[in-house]
Amino acid sequence: AQSVTQLDSHVSVSEGTPVLLRCNYSSSYSPSLFWYVQHPNKGLQLLLKYTSAATLVKGINGFEAEFKKSETSFHLTKPSAHMSDAAEYFCVVSLLNQAGTALIFGKGTTLSVSS
Amino acid sequence: GAVVSQHPSRVICKSGTSVKIECRSLDFQATTMFWYRQFPKQSLMLMATSNEGSKATYEQGVEKDKFLINHASLTLSTLTVTSAHPEDSSFYICSAPRQGRGTEAFFGQGTRLTVV
Repeated sequence: AQSVTQLDSHVSVSEGTPVLLRCNYSSSYSPSLFWYVQHPNKGLQLLLKYTSAATLVKGINGFEAEFKKSETSFHLTKPSAHMSDAAEYFCVVSLLNQAGTALIFGKGTTLSVSS
Repeated sequence: GAVVSQHPSRVICKSGTSVKIECRSLDFQATTMFWYRQFPKQSLMLMATSNEGSKATYEQGVEKDKFLINHASLTLSTLTVTSAHPEDSSFYICSAPRQGRGTEAFFGQGTRLTVV
């Protein structure tokens, strides 16, 4: 069965410092993995996705993630945090069922950015 | 711009009433849509899979008689919360996968339901 674990419920960084949000997945086949961001009281925005192409995936707003099969990880990084990056981040794995593709969400990581 | 539209974005209703939430795919057909629920400061939980032309598939623990799903057309799915109670207050989000270069899921803006 597919599942995803976000290792940190809360990450705090200073503006201009690197961001690392950790995610491990479990899947019985090669998964599709995603990172979504959710700002307060707003919907979800796709940051990036991995679908068995390049293992290093570049997304929007300077974020990137590296798929490491040996470690079953898909950590999200950004070299330099900005105040506007403060939000909730979800690591997501796709679940293929008879109906199509549902997404299974991790519990989320709250990113706080201080000045 | 948005490819999945969800309406309303916010709704307040009294206990015992029913609320309908609509999810539309704007420029593509979606034979399948997904409904999620998000409690405050928690993750999204898949509630059900909406299938055009057939019954919805509900996840374990989700009451199908309380959360009625109708996939009326290839671009519209509705979720009706029947006989709402305060514990039904939550953020509901729909999603529709679009086939293209791979499958990508697009999300509606979400509906904040408050039952008073």
